[in-house]
This record gives sequence, structure tokens and C-alpha cells, in this order.
Amino acid sequence: EVRLVQSRAEVKKSGESLKISCKGSGYSFTSYWIAWVRQMPGKGLEWMGIIYPGDSNTRYSPSFQGQVTISADESISTAYLQWSSLKASDTAMYYCARPWWDLPSPLRSWGQGTLVTVSS
Amino acid sequence: QSALTQPASVSGSPRQSITISCTGTNSDVGSYNLVSWYQQHPGKAPKLIIYEVTKRPSGVSNRVSGSKSGNTASLTISGLQAEDEADYYCSSYASNDTLGVFGGGTKLTVL
Repeated sequence: EVRLVQSRAEVKKSGESLKISCKGSGYSFTSYWIAWVRQMPGKGLEWMGIIYPGDSNTRYSPSFQGQVTISADESISTAYLQWSSLKASDTAMYYCARPWWDLPSPLRSWGQGTLVTVSS
Repeated sequence: QSALTQPASVSGSPRQSITISCTGTNSDVGSYNLVSWYQQHPGKAPKLIIYEVTKRPSGVSNRVSGSKSGNTASLTISGLQAEDEADYYCSSYASNDTLGVFGGGTKLTVL
């Protein structure tokens, strides 16, 4: 069974850095892309970016390019989403998700989400 | 503003059918049979319920179906049940966006 387990909720202040994680299990971690999706409070889903852990090939949505960094550590089957300087507008739920097959592909498996709250 | 347009809300009574539309362009919905639909209950992660316009993953009720005409995809849920009350999002591959695009979401209320 494919499983994605995300790190716990975070409460941070504006300007602080943060790295949240998504650990994959039940499949070959290096053989599938991992996507990050943002959901701001009461709003819809937004693609942030995607990484292929096998070669660290990373693609960002234009809205998030330069705002976040996506990375992965294949030795521990974990993908990361990080910010160097948080803003209040980064307050949101962040989901990692695994496409069903190679891109383009629907997102078949989802993590439980990591709530990030940033206070000003 | 989302790339794909969905109605903000739809409602229906138990045992009725509802349809949610998802309108894109000929750069996404209209050119590719790569439309997916996700169901999201409050406080939960999204769940894939339709892929490639019409296909259902195993375990998804056959009351759920998808279709497409031109630049508009549709999700139909028949025999509405209380458990269908949730938010629904469409998504499509897009030629000008390597990651694809989401719709703004539709809140389904079962009266």
C-alpha cells in the first residue's frame, strides 16, 4: 500500500525558515514524482511544484518559483518543502501527493497534510 | 483566478442526481482526455474519484461518472447520499503548464 506521511503542524513567525517533510512508503520512492499542493484557508487547491527523487528533477509552478524549495532525500524516502523566510500569506495546509504513474498523471495517493500557520 | 472554471456550489436532495461543470480552454480540457476529479471532505486530504475524463479508480462508487464535451468536463453523481457532501475539484493537463491546472472547486450540499 502506498503511504505518504507528512510532518506535524507548524506555528511560525514571519521571517522564520521552515522545512516540512513527506515520507513515502510501500513503493519505490525513486521511481515516482512527488508533488506539493497548497490549500489556503477556505480556498482551493494549487499546484506548487513536483520532484522526481530518482534524479532530483524539479519543476515549479510560476507562482511559487523562487518562493519555496522542493527537495528529496532518497536514502530516507522523504521529500521536503522549505521556505527561507515565511510570510503571513504562507499560512495554509500543504499536501504532498504521488502521481499514479509517470507524468502527466492524476494524483492517486495523498499525504494527510501539514498545516502551517505564520503569524506576523 | 483558477485556470479551470467551476460553479462555487451545487445542491441536491437525497436520491437525486447532480452535475458539476469544469470549463477550460482548447489548451487544456479541450485538447486532452486528461481530466481528473477529486473529492475533499472537510479536514481531509483530497481523494481521486475520476481520471482520464471517465475512469473510476477501484473502490469509487459507480454512482460517480465523468464526461467531456468540447472545453467542458462534467462530473455527475447519481442517487445522492449524505456522504457525497464535500468539495469537488477538477484538474486537467495543460499544454502551457507543465504541472497541470486545477479548478476553483465546487461545494456540494446534500439537502
